[in-house]
This record gives sequence, C-alpha cells and structure tokens, in this order.
Amino acid sequence: AQKITQTQPGMFVQEKEAVTLDCTYDTSDPSYGLFWYKQPSSGEMIFLIYQGSYDQQNATEGRYSLNFQKARKSANLVISASQLGDSAMYFCAMREALTSGTYKYIFGTGTRLKVLA
Amino acid sequence: DTGVSQNPRHKITKRGQNVTFRCDPISEHNRLYWYRQTLGQGPEFLTYFQNEAQLEKSRLLSDRFSAERPKGSFSTLEIQRTEQGDSAMYLCASSPPGGTGQETQYFGPGTRLLVL
Repeated sequence: AQKITQTQPGMFVQEKEAVTLDCTYDTSDPSYGLFWYKQPSSGEMIFLIYQGSYDQQNATEGRYSLNFQKARKSANLVISASQLGDSAMYFCAMREALTSGTYKYIFGTGTRLKVLA
Repeated sequence: DTGVSQNPRHKITKRGQNVTFRCDPISEHNRLYWYRQTLGQGPEFLTYFQNEAQLEKSRLLSDRFSAERPKGSFSTLEIQRTEQGDSAMYLCASSPPGGTGQETQYFGPGTRLLVL
C-alpha cells in the first residue's frame, strides 16, 4: 500500500525566512505524482505544487519549490521568504491509481506552520 | 468565483438524523471526488464520479452514505441515520477531462459536520 509520512506536526518560522516541510513517501509504482496542498483555517485545500516521478527538475511555483530526492523517496516543500499569510496546515499527497482509470489522493497527516512576525 | 463550491459550510445535527451536502464543481470539470477529513488527519477518499457515473467507492463509504451526480454537474452526498463518528469535514474536489486522469484535483471549502 502506498503511504505518505509527514513527521513534523508543527513548525515555526520567522517572517521573511525560508522553511522546509518534510514529506516521505512509499510506493512500488514507477510512475507517480506528488502534490502539496495548503489548508488555512477556513478549510479549503489550496493546490500549491506538483512533482511527477519522471520530472527531471524540481518543481517551482513562485515562493514554493519542491526538493525532490527520488532515491530517498522524499518530496520536501520549501517556502521562501515566509509571510504571515503562510500560516496554515500543509499536506503532502500522492496519487494512487483507481480501477476506473482516474486517481485518488493519499494524504499525509499534515504539518501546521506558524509564521512569526 | 469559478472555484468548487460546497453547501452548507457547516451543519450541526442530532444523531439519527439524515443530512445532505451539495458540491458544485468547476464548470468544465467532468471528474468529481468526495473526501472525508477527521480532526488531525489528512483527507481520505470516499467516492468518484466521471460525469454522472459513480465509478469508484471506498470501503469507508458505508451503506448509510449515498452520493449522486444526476446530470453530471453538481453532486450530493447524503448520510442517513447519522452517528457521532460521522463528524468530520467533507471535501469535494473536481478535475478537468483528460486522457490520463492525472490532472490536479481542485478542492472546495468543505462542509463541516457535527453530530451531537
């Protein structure tokens, strides 16, 4: 069974500093995709960044980058220049194929990030 | 706003009552998913629709749960005879049509259910 592990229940970072949120995964599929979502207190899951298993370069989206280390099965999220609005829960997810030809997401337990002024 | 919308945002009910939630996906998305998120956990997959067809159901979806997407647009999730263990956030997501099914899923704000 596929699995996502986020070992940091909570993290603090000073405003304008960079922070790394850890994510490790376990899968036997050669083709997989990894996602990071942000969940503020309002509850909505906001898509941040995607990394495909065959992508040669680490994904980047603005202040978000994904440190993808395939051999170590890790996909850590790096947030640069943290802002107060970055305070939220962050979830790492991996897609798992369903028999109907689509995918469901397997989520980790999340990391709560607090940005300090 | 053209994102995924869900109603109601909050629902408080007494044990044994029936509840129904609605999800309106992004208009051009034909794939629709329901997830459940309990406190301190990530979301867990419940069911999947492609257009009006319900193609996948998780073992988490007991007989008291039923989901529909009658015209391939909005979807409803009904829970009959609610139990306290049903208290959770119910999230809906949608993704666009595509050949691979690997397209990113976009989530709505969720419906937070509390069963007393």
